[in-house]
Parts: sequence; structure tokens; C-alpha cells
Amino acid sequence: GENVEQHPSTLSVQEGDSAVIKCTYSDSASNYFPWYKQELGKRPQLIIDIRSNVGEKKDQRIAVTLNKTAKHFSLHITETQPEDSAVYFCAAFSYFGNEKLTFGTGTRLTIIP
Amino acid sequence: DTAVSQTPKYLVTQMGNDKSIKCEQNLGHDTMYWYKQDSKKFLKIMFSYNNKELIINETVPNRFSPKSPDKAHLNLHINSLELGDSAVYFCASSPPAGAVTYTQYFGPGTRLTVL
Repeated sequence: GENVEQHPSTLSVQEGDSAVIKCTYSDSASNYFPWYKQELGKRPQLIIDIRSNVGEKKDQRIAVTLNKTAKHFSLHITETQPEDSAVYFCAAFSYFGNEKLTFGTGTRLTIIP
Repeated sequence: DTAVSQTPKYLVTQMGNDKSIKCEQNLGHDTMYWYKQDSKKFLKIMFSYNNKELIINETVPNRFSPKSPDKAHLNLHINSLELGDSAVYFCASSPPAGAVTYTQYFGPGTRLTVL
């Protein structure tokens, strides 16, 4: 089955700096890669996703890159703000495989004012 | 107007009891899921249903029994609760796996505490 590894497990950055979270996956059939943000006591919320026919996607301060050959994808947050503090999860999904999202272990991002 | 809703939000109970968690989605999705998030924040899928049929059962103890009366509802019944069942349980829903718009939307979670 799919295995998703996520690094780092914790990340602290100064407000205004950039943050990068990296994930690798094992199943070459995976073709959909969402990123979820989970604030304390709240539900995971989709912040950006990328499908395997695209190498990069950007939404304001958030961007995701995908390298299918190396089987890794990354989340980039620029100009970080205190409200970016949360736990971030990457995930991988195969439309034609066992049709389940496999999540990474999460990254706790702390923005230092 | 909440897309995916769950009740109750908090559930505190004694070991050995039986409890249920309810989930409803008004997004018109065919597929619904139950996830367990433990104290270390790991999100692990338990079950998925597509149009009321079980698709995924991730080696969950048979004390856990999902029930889908219709495609908008997926309830989770837990028998003989154990201390290790304490966690946050999330319901989610999605369009079909091959949909261009495929993504999963999560409910607010139910924090289960077994004493």
C-alpha cells in the first residue's frame, strides 16, 4: 500500500519568512496530492491540492510543487503570518488504486511574531 | 448550511459501554469516510462507504460497526469501549474517486474519551 513520509515534524519560522514542508510517497500510481491545515481543536481543512498532470500550483502565499519522478511534493508558504500556525498534513491518493487518502504524519508549524 | 456535520462533538463514557456517532453531509457526495486521529495527531482511515456500500475496512476491530442508512449519512457504532478508543473521530465525504473535482471534506470531529 501507499506510504507517505512528511518532514519536518515541527517547524518554527519568524513571521514574514518562508516555510517549506516536504513529503515523499511510495506508490507511483498516486495521482492526487492535497494539503490540509488543522488548527487546534478544529477539522482538517483543504488549503491546496495538486494533480499529477501538473508540476506546480500557487494560491496567493501558498504553493505546492510535485516531482513525480522522485515521488515527492512540497508545500511552500511565503510571508508567513501568525495565523499560519497550525498542523499541516500532506496526503496521497490514487484514483485507480485502493481509493483512499494516505496521510503524512503532520508538521506543527509555529510562526514566531 | 454546514457541509459535513457530526454529533456529538464531545463524548465521555465508561469502559465497556456502547456508543454511536452520527455523520451527515449535504454536499450530494456518494462517498463517506471515518477517520481516527490519535493523541499524536496521526490521521488514519477506518472505513469508507460508496453509495451505502462498504468499500474500505482498514482492519478495524469488529467492535466498530459503520452503518449507512442512505448516501448522506454514515454513522459509527462502537461496542464495548476500551481506553484505547479515546481519540478524535472525523467523518469526511467526497465525490467519486475519478471525479475531476475529487477532494475530501471533513466534519468537525467528535472527541471520544473513555474512562
